[in-house]
Amino acid sequence: AQTVTQSQPEMSVQEAETVTLSCTYDTSENNYYLFWYKQPPSRQMILVIRQEAYKQQNATENRFSVNFQKAAKSFSLKISDSQLGDTAMYFCAFMKPPNTGNQFYFGTGTSLTVIP
Amino acid sequence: EAQVTQNPRYLITVTGKKLTVTCSQNMNHEYMSWYRQDPGLGLRQIYYSMNVEVTDKGDVPEGYKVSRKEKRNFPLILESPSPNQTSLYFCASSFGPRLNTEAFFGQGTRLTVV
Repeated sequence: AQTVTQSQPEMSVQEAETVTLSCTYDTSENNYYLFWYKQPPSRQMILVIRQEAYKQQNATENRFSVNFQKAAKSFSLKISDSQLGDTAMYFCAFMKPPNTGNQFYFGTGTSLTVIP
Repeated sequence: EAQVTQNPRYLITVTGKKLTVTCSQNMNHEYMSWYRQDPGLGLRQIYYSMNVEVTDKGDVPEGYKVSRKEKRNFPLILESPSPNQTSLYFCASSFGPRLNTEAFFGQGTRLTVV
């Protein structure tokens, strides 16, 4: 079974600063996908960034980037130039390979607060 | 607009009274799934479907039923709800086995069983 661990239940960062959210996972699969989803107070789940396990290059999306360490099974999210709108719950997610139902496994989340 | 639509957004019901939460997507996605979100536990998969008439259990299927008679719809049925099913529920959909897939989520249904 796959497990996803987010060891930081809560974090805070000053506006315009940089923050890193950690995520580790456990799997025996070689081909899989990793995601970070953001859940603001509206409860909507919003995709932040995605990483395919077969790609060595770390994904980036504007102010968001990941540090993907496949051997260590680590997938951290870095948010640069933090903005007040980044305040949300962040979930790390693991997706099994295609043809297996696209089953997602989520971590327990990190609540991020951006302080003005 | 591409979206996943869940109804209702909020529901308060009594123990044992059958209910259905509807989910519909307009993106022609093959895969659909249901999750429940509880504090400190993240999102856990209840059921998923890889296509019409193909459903399978996720990690927490007890007390739930689903059906996939049409590609766009994937209702979640609670035959006899109990208070431990009080939770926030999400429906999600995605394309089938291909690269760069992602899950699109509905806006959630807050269910309270008293």
